[in-house]
Amino acid sequence: SQQGEEDPQALSIQEGENATMNCSYKTSINNLQWYRQNSGRGLVHLILIRSNEREKHSGRLRVTLDTSKKSSSLLITASRAADTASYFCAGASGGSYIPTFGRGTSLIVHP
Amino acid sequence: GAVVSQHPSRVICKSGTSVKIECRSLDFQATTMFWYRQFPKQSLMLMATSNEGSKATYEQGVEKDKFLINHASLTLSTLTVTSAHPEDSSFYICSARGDGDYGYTFGSGTRLTVV
Repeated sequence: SQQGEEDPQALSIQEGENATMNCSYKTSINNLQWYRQNSGRGLVHLILIRSNEREKHSGRLRVTLDTSKKSSSLLITASRAADTASYFCAGASGGSYIPTFGRGTSLIVHP
Repeated sequence: GAVVSQHPSRVICKSGTSVKIECRSLDFQATTMFWYRQFPKQSLMLMATSNEGSKATYEQGVEKDKFLINHASLTLSTLTVTSAHPEDSSFYICSARGDGDYGYTFGSGTRLTVV
């Protein structure tokens, strides 16, 4: 089953604003990961949050996880034009820890 | 940090020919690598799990004879698209699990165009 559906599908903001992306998943997970993908490129791992964690920070990134609602959010603060990319969440469940991806949120940050 | 090198980054081939894509873990050993396929503006779909020294595990609907996977060493997995057709044109990405955490390192992807 697909683990990770991002919302919104597209987000357009001005530089300096905050960007919030949401992710919902269907079944129980061991961890949830957020990735970034620049157009035509591979994925870059941003942050991983485990099922027993509620919030995690990394630089300008803040990730929350609500296992009761099966949802996660990624907040990018003080966005920059270089943050323009697609962002994917991926939930990993079971013993395999293989991430399964949603469709992603396309973020455009206007300078 | 963990680095995965994927080669080639872009390939154009004629219909009916075969194409090999390589995925290497540069600074760590990866007993398991994963191959994904991505259509434009779509999600990454897991095609198969490549296991060093054993047969790959394919996801439902993926033709194992069409997409040959070989994981002959702890640092190299290859995906061969056999008898390629235009519908095989896509973006293929490999990944490997790095040491120390449960994040995955992805290659830079291969854009395959079959003409």
